[in-house]
Amino acid sequence: RKEVEQDPGPFNVPEGATVAFNCTYSNSASQSFFWYRQDCRKEPKLLMSVYSSGNEDGRFTAQLNRASQYISLLIRDSKLSDSATYLCVVNNRAGTALIFGKGTTLSVSS
Amino acid sequence: DGGITQSPKYLFRKEGQNVTLSCEQNLNHDAMYWYRQDPGQGLRLIYYSQIVNDFQKGDIAEGYSVSREKKESFPLTVTSAQKNPTAFYLCATRFGEHEQYFGPGTRLTVT
Repeated sequence: RKEVEQDPGPFNVPEGATVAFNCTYSNSASQSFFWYRQDCRKEPKLLMSVYSSGNEDGRFTAQLNRASQYISLLIRDSKLSDSATYLCVVNNRAGTALIFGKGTTLSVSS
Repeated sequence: DGGITQSPKYLFRKEGQNVTLSCEQNLNHDAMYWYRQDPGQGLRLIYYSQIVNDFQKGDIAEGYSVSREKKESFPLTVTSAQKNPTAFYLCATRFGEHEQYFGPGTRLTVT
């Protein structure tokens, strides 16, 4: 099992749609979880941290299921500006670095 | 202006030459990281450093070298031993177990 696996995408959705991304991770001892956003030819930027209780930031909701080693990101009311690649991130086995999934590409069209 | 700077943004080199990529930060973060990203691929960890004068190999360290003589600086040297050096190189910092912050990256092309 790869350390971090994501839906390959791409996801092509119309404006206003709700879209969900899934991610699984292999290290059951992971303690740090994040979603990052990466625009084309730019550096990744933090979208949100993921907490055990789940958390919401505006149109974005992140969920963590430790038992299944599964993380999700839900985007409601998609905007054109949400078009990007979304990276699922967890800490490595030693807890010393972050491991990034390959990302899921989202394209929102009008 | 706080943050992470990487220079240059674009770098071109001939095969067989070593090249050093710069990464400087004024966030006062202890940990610094180098990643490589290839088109359509995820980020792969090359080297990281948690404190000055100490660094660890990541998943793809072969053909690369680093130094950490100052807290603010973590330069990466791409040596001629690196088989496929053309890539997007990203430097990042981290405070404790919080998120990582990235610099704008350097696109290296070796021909």
